[in-house]
Amino acid sequence: GENVEQHPSTLSVQEGDSAVIKCTYSDSASNYFPWYKQELGKRPQLIIDIRSNVGEKKDQRIAVTLNKTAKHFSLHITETQPEDSAVYFCAASIVGGNTGKLIFGQGTTLQVKP
Amino acid sequence: DSGVTQTPKHLITATGQRVTLRCSPRSGDLSVYWYQQSLDQGLQFLIQYYNGEERAKGNILERFSAQQFPDLHSELNLSSLELGDSALYFCASSVGQGVGATNEKLFFGSGTQLSVL
Repeated sequence: GENVEQHPSTLSVQEGDSAVIKCTYSDSASNYFPWYKQELGKRPQLIIDIRSNVGEKKDQRIAVTLNKTAKHFSLHITETQPEDSAVYFCAASIVGGNTGKLIFGQGTTLQVKP
Repeated sequence: DSGVTQTPKHLITATGQRVTLRCSPRSGDLSVYWYQQSLDQGLQFLIQYYNGEERAKGNILERFSAQQFPDLHSELNLSSLELGDSALYFCASSVGQGVGATNEKLFFGSGTQLSVL
């Protein structure tokens, strides 16, 4: 079935430390893996994404890695800052026929302590 | 601002009632997606429309229905409302037939907070 598992559900780090969030997906046909950041009461915002033909992508303090064989991908945030505190969602595309949708993980609440 | 517009921002209603949520996609986007986010829950996919046609269905209840109009805006209709329907409902849009295709990305609106009392 279509499923994305995300771990951990909560993560607390000290400012300046790194944070890693991991996801696994079930559909081997998935080819697009975005990460969204959602602050309390606000819309999910795309922060980084990766496609299946790439193993790693980096954007300043944020990086995403993908292992298609193992069907898992991870978000890495370095030098965390208090403003990184939010809920982070991973997602995987489910492609079928002439359409495609995103299935989301359950989210990780990241708390960065000053 | 993502360019996806949702109205209203807040909606308070009673059990058994019917409501309509409205979404205008980003300019040029042909696909509209609806997601439900309950308290402490992730984003549950409800339904996708592309250029007026239903393209994918998720865990959408029979009491819920949606449509996309010729001007590409979409409406999500929720009827016979129950307390458990209280949630944040997000609309998102993408340019083509669905994410997964080359360069397609999903952009979310600000959501409609539905409270069923």
